[in-house]
This record gives sequence, structure tokens and C-alpha cells, in this order.
Amino acid sequence: KQEVTQIPAALSVPEGENLVLNCSFTDSAIYNLQWFRQDPGKGLTSLLLIQSSQREQTSGRLNASLDKSSGRSTLYIAASQPGDSATYLCAVMEYGNKLVFGAGTILRVKS
Amino acid sequence: NAGVTQTPKFQVLKTGQSMTLQCAQDMNHEYMSWYRQDPGMGLRLIHYSVGAGITDQGEVPNGYNVSRSTTEDFPLRLLSAAPSQTSVYFCASRLQGMNTGELFFGEGSRLTVL
Repeated sequence: KQEVTQIPAALSVPEGENLVLNCSFTDSAIYNLQWFRQDPGKGLTSLLLIQSSQREQTSGRLNASLDKSSGRSTLYIAASQPGDSATYLCAVMEYGNKLVFGAGTILRVKS
Repeated sequence: NAGVTQTPKFQVLKTGQSMTLQCAQDMNHEYMSWYRQDPGMGLRLIHYSVGAGITDQGEVPNGYNVSRSTTEDFPLRLLSAAPSQTSVYFCASRLQGMNTGELFFGEGSRLTVL
């Protein structure tokens, strides 16, 4: 059974820092990996989608990498801002049309 | 562009009552799904559908029914609510092809079962 783990569970950093969120998964037979952002009381917003054949994707200050063979992905956030405060979730798309989520990392960026 | 719309946003039920959570999308997505989100457990897949007339079970299907009579709508039914079904429910949709996997979520429905 696929398991997705996110480390750390919570992170608090001062504004302006670069930071890395980690995601690991146990079964490398995936179609893609997706990073989401969730604000309190809201739904999930897709940030980056990495296909299994890709190594990384970039959007603005966000960069996500994927190492399928080792079962790891990282989300790099450059020059963090208070508006980046949210919960970040990663999810892998398995064969069989199922998306398996990690429990998330709660990020707080202090001004 | 409304995206994925869920109703109601909040609901309180008594044990044994039934209700339906509604989900509609206007993006012509073939794939629709329901997740529940519980503290410390991430999101878990309840049921999903790859097109009208086709549904399948996810990780935690017990206590929930679904149907897909149109491309746009994917309601989730609780036939006899239990306190263990207290959760936040999310509907999500995407295009069906595996290489177009970006998932779009609704705002969620917060359900409390007393």
C-alpha cells in the first residue's frame, strides 16, 4: 500500500528565508506527483505537477523536484513571505486513478 | 468560471440521519472524486468516477454511496450518518488522461454528526 510522508509536520521561519519541504513515498510506480497549498478553512490549490518522466517543475518562487527511484520530492520556496503561510500537501497519482496524500506541512512565515 | 462547487458548506446531523453532499463542476472533467480530510491523516479517497455511469471505490468507501448520472454532477450520499463520519469533505475533478492529472478542488463541506 502506498504511503506518503511529509517532513517536517510544521515549520516556522522568518520572512525572506529560503526553505525546503520534503515528501517521500513508498511505491515508485506513480504517474505523477502534485504539490498543493491549503489555506485554513479552504480547499486545495494546485501549485506544481511533476510527471513521472520529469525531474522538476518551477513556478515563480516555487521549485519542485522528483526523484522517483528514491521515492522523494522536495518543494523549494525562495524568499518566503508571510502570504506563503499555509499547509502544503503532496500527493502521488498511482496506477488505478488514485491520488494518495501526505498529511501535510504547516508553514508559518513570520514578518 | 465557477470550477468545482460544493453544497452545503456546513451541516450538522444526528446519528442515523441521511443526507447528500452535492458536487458540480463546469469544466467538462471526466474524472470526479470525493475525499475526506481528518486531522493528522491527510486526505483519503472515498469514491471516484471516470465518467457518467461509472463509479468505483476508494480507500474508505464504507458508509457512503455515489452515482454519476451526468458529467457535471457527482453527489455523495450518507445513508445513516455516524459520528465517525464527522469530517471535512472535498470534491475534486480533472481531465481523465493520466498525463493531465492536475486536480481541481471545491471549497469543502464541513460535516458534524452528533
